[in-house]
Amino acid sequence: DIQLTQSPSSLSASVGDRVSITCRAGQTISSYLSWYQQKPGKAPKLLIYAASSLQSGVPSRFSGSGSGTDFTLTISSLQPEDSATYYCHQSYSTIFTFGGGTKVEIK
Amino acid sequence: EVQLVESGGGLVQPGGSLRLSCAASGFTFTDHFMDWVRQGPGKGLEWVGRARNRANSYSTEYATSVKGRFTISRDDSENSLYLQMNSLKSEDTAVYYCARGTGWDAFDLWGQGTMVTVSS
Repeated sequence: DIQLTQSPSSLSASVGDRVSITCRAGQTISSYLSWYQQKPGKAPKLLIYAASSLQSGVPSRFSGSGSGTDFTLTISSLQPEDSATYYCHQSYSTIFTFGGGTKVEIK
Repeated sequence: EVQLVESGGGLVQPGGSLRLSCAASGFTFTDHFMDWVRQGPGKGLEWVGRARNRANSYSTEYATSVKGRFTISRDDSENSLYLQMNSLKSEDTAVYYCARGTGWDAFDLWGQGTMVTVSS
């Protein structure tokens, strides 16, 4: 199975800050990487697919980059409603895997 | 309304069985691969498995942790996805979500989840 390692596991930032979360794959996954936002008690929500494509309806402050093994989710200007846990997910192999998650808190 | 609604969760003893259902509406079910994803209490997301559509022979894939114990099926006439879980273990305790697969195999639609507790 392809392992995905997210960092940091948690972070605290102020409203308006630029925030980046990284996801490293144990082997190349081309651009088969998506990002999800999950708030407590809710289902995950797709933010980014194909490493850098913004899902319809998602604010443009969210962006994704990378290919191969190293990927980044960036929030350009953190908003209070962005407080959540973020997960990366690879769909390159037939056995899918998720990263361990990054909890983002607002200072 | 485009939605997925899971049902069938509950309390089951170790070694027991349970069948979850996911009812889809508001979109063409037959166009999509469908997946199950679970989340243990206080834990991260774990992909469980996938059922491809008729055009892909309804083939299935499973996570290593559930292969041989869980079976995913779908009934296109009922727009429904199923997860048959056998030989359940305490570590299978989780909220189980069904999710719709889309381009690049991302999950663009999720249900609200159904809780499965495996305990004596």
